[in-house]
Amino acid sequence: QKEVEQDPGPLSVPEGAIVSLNCTYSNSAFQYFMWYRQYSRKGPELLMYTYSSGNKEDGRFTAQVDKSSKYISLFIRDSQPSDSATYLCAIRGDGNQFYFGTGTSLTVIP
Amino acid sequence: DAGVIQSPRHEVTEMGQEVTLRCKPISGHNSLFWYRQTMMRGLELLIYFNNNVPIDDSGMPEDRFSAKMPNASFSTLKIQPSEPRDSAVYFCASSSIRDGRNQPQHFGDGTRLSIL
Repeated sequence: QKEVEQDPGPLSVPEGAIVSLNCTYSNSAFQYFMWYRQYSRKGPELLMYTYSSGNKEDGRFTAQVDKSSKYISLFIRDSQPSDSATYLCAIRGDGNQFYFGTGTSLTVIP
Repeated sequence: DAGVIQSPRHEVTEMGQEVTLRCKPISGHNSLFWYRQTMMRGLELLIYFNNNVPIDDSGMPEDRFSAKMPNASFSTLKIQPSEPRDSAVYFCASSSIRDGRNQPQHFGDGTRLSIL
């Protein structure tokens, strides 16, 4: 079993929609969770990170962690065409390394 | 504030040639990571360094791959000899350390490698 599994998509939504991106992880000891956004032909860019269960908001973005289910989500409110990108979840492991999901490709249609 | 800088941005070469990818991490960051990204396998960690010392190279696919970090501001990833299946985008990332733990990584824009 992989350390992190991510819904592959692709996902296509109309402008203004709420987007939900999801990952599951295998090890209940993992405690540090991140979301990256990657535009075409660019490197992943850190979007948000959180330690704890619950929600963390930053503008239109909300990161949610449910440790009991080993499930993490990223919600995007009022999605914009500029949000079109690939989103990767990432988790820091026990040994200080990072595990990445394979990414979900999102297209927001004007 | 300069981010992670990688060179070259694109490399096209013939099978059997030596390829050297370069990375300058963010100043002050103690950890450096090399990744390979493909459509099929996503982001794969190849090797990571902590204070210039290789900590985990279990992701290096074969002896054809080698990485060095001679000082805190420079690292190389070398493939010799290169093969078509090495074609991918190679990313370098760096992070700081707090309380002995790696903080979130910052990525360069990658080197797009094509081996013909």
